[in-house]
This record gives sequence, C-alpha cells and structure tokens, in this order.
Amino acid sequence: AQRVTQPEKLLSVFKGAPVELKCNYSYSGSPELFWYVQYSRQRLQLLLRHISRESIKGFTADLNKGETSFHLKKPFAQEEDSAMYYCALRFDYGQNFVFGPGTRLSVLP
Amino acid sequence: EAGVAQSPRYKIIEKRQSVAFWCNPISGHATLYWYQQILGQGPKLLIQFQNNGVVDDSQLPKDRFSAERLKGVDSTLKIQPAKLEDSAVYLCASSLDFSDLRQEGAFFGQGTRLTVV
Repeated sequence: AQRVTQPEKLLSVFKGAPVELKCNYSYSGSPELFWYVQYSRQRLQLLLRHISRESIKGFTADLNKGETSFHLKKPFAQEEDSAMYYCALRFDYGQNFVFGPGTRLSVLP
Repeated sequence: EAGVAQSPRYKIIEKRQSVAFWCNPISGHATLYWYQQILGQGPKLLIQFQNNGVVDDSQLPKDRFSAERLKGVDSTLKIQPAKLEDSAVYLCASSLDFSDLRQEGAFFGQGTRLTVV
C-alpha cells in the first residue's frame, strides 16, 4: 500500500506567485512527516519536518491529521525554488521511512 | 561535519554481472538506510540497519540483493546477478537512533547511478 502520495508530478508557477505542493499519507498512528528537496545535481536534503513547525526558505507545512495531509506552501515562489520535492513519512516508531513519488516544481521568470 | 559518503558515483555493468556499492554514514549515526530510486520515481526503501542489525528488509529482493553492516559503521549493498530493471540510483542515508524522536530525519549521500546494459 502506498503510504505517501503526491498527486502532481509537475507544478509550474510564475515567480512571485504562491505555491502549494500537495502530500497525503496513510497511517493510523502518530506520523512523523518531512519534506525533502533535491536541487539539480545535488543530493537529497531535508527541507523541514512537521515536529519542528519551522519555516525554511519561506516554506511552511502544516500537518492536518483529519485530512491526513502535509502540504508544503510558500507565499511567493522564487526561481531558485525550482527543484524536486519529496514528502516522506516515518512510522512504526522510526522503523519505516518511506517517500512519495515527488513533485517537480518549476518556477518561471 | 562530513556527510554521507558513497562510492562509486557511477557504474555500468552487463546484465547477469555482479556489483557492489559502499556507504560510509555520518559519524555517530546508528541508523543506515539503502534506497533505490528509479528514474521518475521517489526513493524506495530497500533495507534499514540499526547499528549492525537489520530493522527492515521487507522490500529487498533477497534472491539477488544483499546488504551488510558488519561493524555497525560502513555498509555494502550487492546485486548478483544484475537485471536490466535494476538500473537506478542507489541512495544511502543515515540518521541518529531511529527510535529517538528528536532526530532530524535522514541525511543522504550523493548516490550511485547504476546502469545495467
């Protein structure tokens, strides 16, 4: 069963426009959710995690347990935000760490 | 701090040959993961170690894939014999003790791009 879904393979927005990358998960317990980003020719790196409720590079994500979602948002997209974004779920007390299929964000000038 | 190191960066082999990948995690990280990332897909967990023990290998094709972390530090992932569908990027990641809820998630290496021809 696919635990993490990201419905959009590609999302294109113009610079300065708001952006929302969708992530839904399936897990009945207490999930730990993360967003990872992979810029061109760089390694996969952690962007943010729900437990810290932080804002990184202007991005925020709120865990909605009722909708089982963890959407990533930024009010004003920048060209340097263009990258692959992966939502990830850790569950079973850390014994499983699975990733979604990813969304490619393209910010147009 | 030094990141997760992987080698080689690239490997091309013929089908039915064998291949091995090496990973050196961040110092002090007890948990080590191997992921397979096929082009256009998200990383798929193959195996997870806690020190030198296996936590989860349910998605590892054990008829051809094997992995070890004998001393609880470095790890190797082997494929024998390789198939065309094994062409992918193999990612190694590490984190602090997976049961520690304060940890920040996993840190990834650059990956090894395997092409099977």
